[in-house]
Amino acid sequence: KNQVEQSPQSLIILEGKNCTLQCNYTVSPFSNLRWYKQDTGRGPVSLTIMTFSENTKSNGRYTATLDADTKQSSLHITASQLSDSASYICVVSDRGSTLGRLYFGRGTQLTVWP
Amino acid sequence: EADIYQTPRYLVIGTGKKITLECSQTMGHDKMYWYQQDPGMELHLIHYSYGVNSTEKGDLSSESTVSRIRTEHFPLTLESARPSHTSQYLCASSTSDNTDTQYFGPGTRLTVL
Repeated sequence: KNQVEQSPQSLIILEGKNCTLQCNYTVSPFSNLRWYKQDTGRGPVSLTIMTFSENTKSNGRYTATLDADTKQSSLHITASQLSDSASYICVVSDRGSTLGRLYFGRGTQLTVWP
Repeated sequence: EADIYQTPRYLVIGTGKKITLECSQTMGHDKMYWYQQDPGMELHLIHYSYGVNSTEKGDLSSESTVSRIRTEHFPLTLESARPSHTSQYLCASSTSDNTDTQYFGPGTRLTVL
């Protein structure tokens, strides 16, 4: 069964600290993996997209890693800010065609305290 | 920020009412989607469209219906709302390239009393 599991379910950190969110998946065949940020009451916004051959991709203070062999991905947030408080969702696509299907994790709810 | 819009943002209605959730995008995307999301849970695909006059049901069974008469417009209709329909409804659109990145609207929070 194709699944996407994220951990931790929730996380509280102090402003300025770093954190790492995890995503494990069993989706096959694998096409790409995305991390989305979803602010409360808003739609998700794409942060990064990684294909099979990419190990690391950065977007400002966000760095995503992908290990396609172990089917794990992480999202590292550096020097956290209050505006980073949101749900971070891992999404895996099973193929990059018009028939591609997306599998969503439940998200990690990050809260950054001042 | 993506040019995809949803109205209303919040809706509270009584059981048995007919409602239509509006979604429109100005990016010229052929593909559009409707998702349902409950708090702390993953998004579930309920409808999608690959172009005008094309609509398909998603993975999660839904009593709602959709139409795609124009490329930019993808409304979702509930003929008779029930409390079990209370949820967040997210509309998205995507390009037709292999990245399939989806751009989401702000969502409609529906509460059925």
